[in-house]
Amino acid sequence: EIQLVQSGAEVKKPGESLKISCKGSGYKFHNFWIGWVRQVPGQGLEWMGVIYPGDSDTKYSPSFEGHVTISVDKSNNTAHLQWSSLRASDSAMYFCARQFGNSGYDYPFKHWGQGTLVTVSS
Amino acid sequence: EIVLTQSPGTLSLSPGERATLFCRASQSVSSNYLAWYQQKGGQAPRLLIFGASSRATGIPDRFSGSGSGTDFTLTINRLEPEDFAMYYCQQYGSSPRTFGGGTKVEIK
Repeated sequence: EIQLVQSGAEVKKPGESLKISCKGSGYKFHNFWIGWVRQVPGQGLEWMGVIYPGDSDTKYSPSFEGHVTISVDKSNNTAHLQWSSLRASDSAMYFCARQFGNSGYDYPFKHWGQGTLVTVSS
Repeated sequence: EIVLTQSPGTLSLSPGERATLFCRASQSVSSNYLAWYQQKGGQAPRLLIFGASSRATGIPDRFSGSGSGTDFTLTINRLEPEDFAMYYCQQYGSSPRTFGGGTKVEIK
């Protein structure tokens, strides 16, 4: 069974750093693009970016590039999303998700993590 | 960046009725790489349709997708109680990938 298990909820202060994780299992982790989607409570879905674990090729939405970093730890089949300096506007639910197919980049997200709630407040 | 506009914002229907949801793109979606997702409460989204019209594994056949270019439709025939949820379209043919703002299907 394909599973993506995310790290737990976080409460941080503005300016702090944070790294959340998404561990994949039940499939060949290196072979599928995996990405992150933000959802502010009560609002819609926002595509943040994706990474290919095989070679760490990464693609970001311009809306998030420069503010977040997507990375992978292949030894642990884990993807990460990190911030060096959080803002209150980063408060949201963050979902990781794996693409449907593995013949390239052009696939929707089929498998999803349970979400990690990040709260940034002074 | 391709902007996806979903309409209507809210659809109020009764169980057994048909729901028709629209997704319009600001420019043509490459290869009709358009997906539809369902999301309930605080749960993760579920992929329903990909390639504009192909149902994902395990999705009931009352869900169907159609359209091409810039105009796409998700149809839900004979609404079941579990179908009342939020629905999002997403294009995955151009970078960056983008989602529509969503349509809420609520019980009338």
